[in-house]
Amino acid sequence: ELKVEQNPLFLSMQEGKNYTIYCNYSTTSDRLYWYRQDPGKSLESLFVLLSNGAVKQEGRLMASLDTKARLSTLHITAAVHDLSATYFCAVNDMDSNYQLIWGAGTKLIIKP
Amino acid sequence: ETGVTQTPRHLVMGMTNKKSLKCEQHLGHNAMYWYKQSAKKPLELMFVYSLEERVENNSVPSRFSPECPNSSHLFLHLHTLQPEDSALYLCASSQVYSLAGVGRGGELFFGEGSRLTVL
Repeated sequence: ELKVEQNPLFLSMQEGKNYTIYCNYSTTSDRLYWYRQDPGKSLESLFVLLSNGAVKQEGRLMASLDTKARLSTLHITAAVHDLSATYFCAVNDMDSNYQLIWGAGTKLIIKP
Repeated sequence: ETGVTQTPRHLVMGMTNKKSLKCEQHLGHNAMYWYKQSAKKPLELMFVYSLEERVENNSVPSRFSPECPNSSHLFLHLHTLQPEDSALYLCASSQVYSLAGVGRGGELFFGEGSRLTVL
């Protein structure tokens, strides 16, 4: 049973375009995290979403959370090459003693 | 030094070797973690230490042996590994262990990882 599913797993896009990465989860959760990983680098925390309807924005990235739909989105606006990375979502699994369950990651390549 | 540092960054070992991975955090955090990252798989939690006590061990084979001598240092001792153990091993820390009821807490700070290749 896949508790956290990211979609797509790979995305190649042109600079200047908009796109959305989806994170669906099947467990009960009260918080969701987005992390970024550059090749050969550590994972870096981007957003922590704590409540239904939460929206957070940092530069060209905006994350939102719908706990009823068990869905989070990471929206990229007017993409630039520097945003090329792998993006992970992770949920706090309330059904499993608050384990942190990770998605498989979305590899994003932004072409100049 | 700031953040979470891991050494070595790359390690190649034979199946009969014994080696260790080291992690040090300079954030004053109370919890430290070992994760395994394999290609196209979600991160797998291996071990959790809170205040130097092991609090989780997620069915990890005994050929992986963690050690936490103090709240700033974490080791992963490796012996008689298998080729399928080749992966990126990530160390992380957090302010506290429990993810529940902590404001913005639960946020993990990761090191850059140790890339392990088992021949």
